[in-house]
Formats: sequence, structure tokens, C-alpha cells
Amino acid sequence: DAKTTQPPSMDCAEGRAANLPCNHSTISGNEYVYWYRQIHSQGPQYIIHGLKNNETNEMASLIITEDRKSSTLILPHATLRDTAVYYCIVRVGRGNEKLTFGTGTRLTIIP
Amino acid sequence: NAGVMQNPRHLVRRRGQEARLRCSPMKGHSHVYWYRQLPEEGLKFMVYLQKENIIDESGMPKERFSAEFPKEGPSILRIQQVVRGDSAAYFCASGRDRATEAFFGQGTRLTVV
Repeated sequence: DAKTTQPPSMDCAEGRAANLPCNHSTISGNEYVYWYRQIHSQGPQYIIHGLKNNETNEMASLIITEDRKSSTLILPHATLRDTAVYYCIVRVGRGNEKLTFGTGTRLTIIP
Repeated sequence: NAGVMQNPRHLVRRRGQEARLRCSPMKGHSHVYWYRQLPEEGLKFMVYLQKENIIDESGMPKERFSAEFPKEGPSILRIQQVVRGDSAAYFCASGRDRATEAFFGQGTRLTVV
């Protein structure tokens, strides 16, 4: 699976949009981009995934660049409960096994 | 619909003892995944099971670790003769099938003293 690079930490003001970048420059054509988050000491929570097109669900939006070498997770109106570590994961095909969680981005929402 | 239930939440074992971690998947889910998170590290895949079958155990240490998911009852991750390096948070996830969203439990924190 392709390696991902994320900033170690970010702050965002409550109520603003949080934009979390992920670089996956070695991604190949059959690799999906997944985003999970882990709120302190809890189990990871699935957020969203995509292959080529931008995706949106009730939690977030995923913007994937045309060359697919990077993506951005957008939390449109961040709340204090969004404070967590966010993981960007790239994997071949769809599936829940062998997800490779790196160190992620620690997002802190500031009141 | 209850979420993925893991027990115990905290487990303390002395070196050389056995640790048994249980995972009850969500209702209707027949796919179970175990992940381990060492202190200050990301989660690492261990094993993927479907009822009564091990599908992928490529992340399991070769010795002392085993997993099962019987026809009835929870999935069990068993660690024999625990060592200090086994201290970690062990997370279980379940899914309705391989590709749809998997839901993680709250984890079992194993401490080996």
C-alpha cells in the first residue's frame, strides 16, 4: 500500500471548517483513500473513503486531487467533539483488513 | 443495536500468564478484525476472521498469539505466556461484509507486569 504523509498536528477554531491534508504521491490506480479518526483512547471511527471522485457524507467531505497524489478531509463546521487524531490510509481495493494506520494528524478544536 | 463489545476493558497479567480478549461483533456482522496499538504508535492489523474461519492472519506474531471466531459466541484473541512487550491496546472491529464500513470496539488495554 502507498505511504501517506500528514502534518503531525493542527488547530482549528470551533465553528470553522477544518481542512486536513494528506499526501500520497505514490498512490496507484487501484488504491482507495480512507479516513478514520480516533478520539482519545477510543476505537477508531470510520469517516469516509474515495477512489477518484470527491465524496461527501454526513460527517465530512473528501477532496481528491485530479492526479490523486493528495487529498483533503474537510469537516465543515468543527465542534469540540471533533478533537481527535485523524488517519489518512491508502489501500489496494476496498476492505477493512490490513488498514495501515500511521501517526496521523492530531486535530485540536479551539473554543 | 449495541456496538462492538470488547471485554475486559482493562486486563493486567503477570509475565508468563495467558491473556484472553473477547470481542462480540455487532448484530448481523460476521466479519471480525483485530488490531493492536502499541504505546505512541498507530494501529497495526493482526488478523481477519469470518465465522469459524481465519481469512488473513498475516499480521499475527508467529508464536504465542492465536485467534478464533466460533459459530456461536464471541471472537477470542488469545496470548499465551505474555511478555512486557505485549502491553498494548487491542481493538476489534466488525463488519457486515469485507468491504462495507467496519465498526471498532472500545478496545482492551492489556498491561503485563
